[in-house]
Amino acid sequence: DTAVSQTPKYLVTQMGNDKSIKCEQNLGHDTMYWYKQDSKKFLKIMFSYNNKELIINETVPNRFSPKSPDKAHLNLHINSLELGDSAVYFCASSHAGTGNTEAFFGQGTRLTVV
Amino acid sequence: QQQVKQSPQSLIVQKGGIPIINCAYENTAFDYFPWYQQFPGKGPALLIAIRPDVSEKKEGRFTISFNKSAKQFSLHIMDSQPGDSATYFCAATPNTGGFKTIFGAGTRLFVKA
Repeated sequence: DTAVSQTPKYLVTQMGNDKSIKCEQNLGHDTMYWYKQDSKKFLKIMFSYNNKELIINETVPNRFSPKSPDKAHLNLHINSLELGDSAVYFCASSHAGTGNTEAFFGQGTRLTVV
Repeated sequence: QQQVKQSPQSLIVQKGGIPIINCAYENTAFDYFPWYQQFPGKGPALLIAIRPDVSEKKEGRFTISFNKSAKQFSLHIMDSQPGDSATYFCAATPNTGGFKTIFGAGTRLFVKA
């Protein structure tokens, strides 16, 4: 059983389109995340979300929005895609508490905007 | 103050060598320091982690050294193998919880056979 699964694995789309990436976790975690990894492998957090708080990295354009239908899902919606949005996007989950806060990552979605 | 600075950006060692990756932080509220390993085409996965009440932790060939006064911590890989070739990320979590974990920029390690 995959702990954190995201779909699709690959996404190729044209500039200006709107797309969504889905993420589901079956670990019972209360917090989910979206990270962006660029071509240089830098890992940048975009959003942290649990049922109490949404934290948005202020550098993330408002074309990006997280949508959470329930605790086990956090989807990423992107409007008006741009060439610079091409990257690998990772979903992750963890407990938000102060104990073991290990983050479990999905396999990533490679987004290519043409 | 929220940054975690990681170096070097890339590292090449011979098989059997001991690569060392360093990280430094500013925020004294950080109290959990994990290292993640990422292979190509995969998501990062937890490798080893330490809390600031100990100065060293070993798991197999991987060792974290922690210097609380200097606010620095490092990963050492003993007897490195080609299979250790991956990108390594240090991270820091504040005592307010995993919600606000900060990652370093990553180090690409290549171990020559």
